[in-house]
Amino acid sequence: ETGVTQTPRHLVMGMTNKKSLKCEQHLGHNAMYWYKQSAKKPLELMFVYNFKEQTENNSVPSRFSPECPNSSHLFLHLHTLQPEDSALYLCASSQDPGPGEKLFFGSGTQLSVL
Amino acid sequence: QKEVEQDPGPLSVPEGAIVSLNCTYSNSAFQYFMWYRQYSRKGPELLMYTYSSGNKEDGRFTAQVDKSSKYISLFIRDSQPSDSATYLCAVNAGGTSYGKLTFGQGTILTVHP
Repeated sequence: ETGVTQTPRHLVMGMTNKKSLKCEQHLGHNAMYWYKQSAKKPLELMFVYNFKEQTENNSVPSRFSPECPNSSHLFLHLHTLQPEDSALYLCASSQDPGPGEKLFFGSGTQLSVL
Repeated sequence: QKEVEQDPGPLSVPEGAIVSLNCTYSNSAFQYFMWYRQYSRKGPELLMYTYSSGNKEDGRFTAQVDKSSKYISLFIRDSQPSDSATYLCAVNAGGTSYGKLTFGQGTILTVHP
């Protein structure tokens, strides 16, 4: 395994369900990120973790709950989502969360909320 | 006003053509400029990375940054069908903006044989 791996690739859930997205990076990086990519919209930063500590929450609703148990793993716990939350959720990592850091993305989880 | 404006296209060109992709941005604090390529059903991958103004060339790809006019460009020479993808420009202000890339909407490019 190399790079950034996300599971599942696809997820369909009802508004009352609880599900989790998983991300694992094999690059030895210290920073991890969640981005949201909606149709016809730019990628939006959701959360930033540096050495397991959350350093950025970009005004994300509480129905999205991130968890970073160590520098290699990142989760996004989902509950009571809305149909407008349907999007591609991308995980990324970088060596450090410094200025001008180069981000490496996973392939994403395509989420559909019914 | 969006922080980064990018024409979504789609752009369709014949194989071998020179492709020009562009973005404009509004915040003069941006110092790092990147182009990502995203194939269908894949995550973005870093293609070009530039700090401050100037040109950078890598094979068939050239990135240009003009900070005075807040304009960034990506040129693809001798375009190939394998270049068909969505191209995303991204900017970062540096400093304490840890990993906070601001992306353009992306331009969909198709190179037909």
